[in-house]
Amino acid sequence: AQSVTQPDIHITVSEGASLELRCNYSYGATPYLFWYVQSPGQGLQLLLKYFSGDTLVQGIKGFEAEFKRSQSSFNLRKPSVHWSDAAEYFCAGNSGGYNKLIFGAGTRLAVHP
Amino acid sequence: GAVVSQHPSWVICKSGTSVKIECRSLDFQATTMFWYRQFPKQSLMLMATSNEGSKATYEQGVEKDKFLINHASLTLSTLTVTSAHPEDSSFYICSASIASGPSTYEQYFGPGTRLTVT
Repeated sequence: AQSVTQPDIHITVSEGASLELRCNYSYGATPYLFWYVQSPGQGLQLLLKYFSGDTLVQGIKGFEAEFKRSQSSFNLRKPSVHWSDAAEYFCAGNSGGYNKLIFGAGTRLAVHP
Repeated sequence: GAVVSQHPSWVICKSGTSVKIECRSLDFQATTMFWYRQFPKQSLMLMATSNEGSKATYEQGVEKDKFLINHASLTLSTLTVTSAHPEDSSFYICSASIASGPSTYEQYFGPGTRLTVT
């Protein structure tokens, strides 16, 4: 069955430290992959997406993600975290030709000053 | 661009009453809209997919008679929670897909509606 897994429920980092949020997918074919961020009580904002082509994708707010087919992963990274990055992050995917999104469980990011 | 709005942002209703939530794509035409439910500190659960002019497709376990979805135009979808009960209290989020091209697979999300049933 198609699935998206975020192994880390909660991550805490210090402000200025680097960040990597993990995402693994299970699809028959290469899915379209997305990272969203959600602040408390808010909707989802798209950080970046991967459809095809260059496997290193740049997004907004200084985030990037790398698609690794061999590891079925699409990890989100940021070199230096800001306190305003504290939020819930969701990885999601869908299969080409079928636009229903499957979400991971989410990773809650806390940032210490 | 690609802005989706929801109204209301927060609603309180009494048990047994019905409440309607609107989802609008403000600057694009959306052939497909999606309705999600999110419990506190949990991920989004897809409730249904609606295509303009067609009946909505509900996910397994979602009561279609309780959660009525109407997608009357390319810019508006509504979710009506009928005979609401306290267990229906949740955060409801809609999203919309642009009508054509690779972006068909990208969903733009509304800000969500917090429903509290007393």
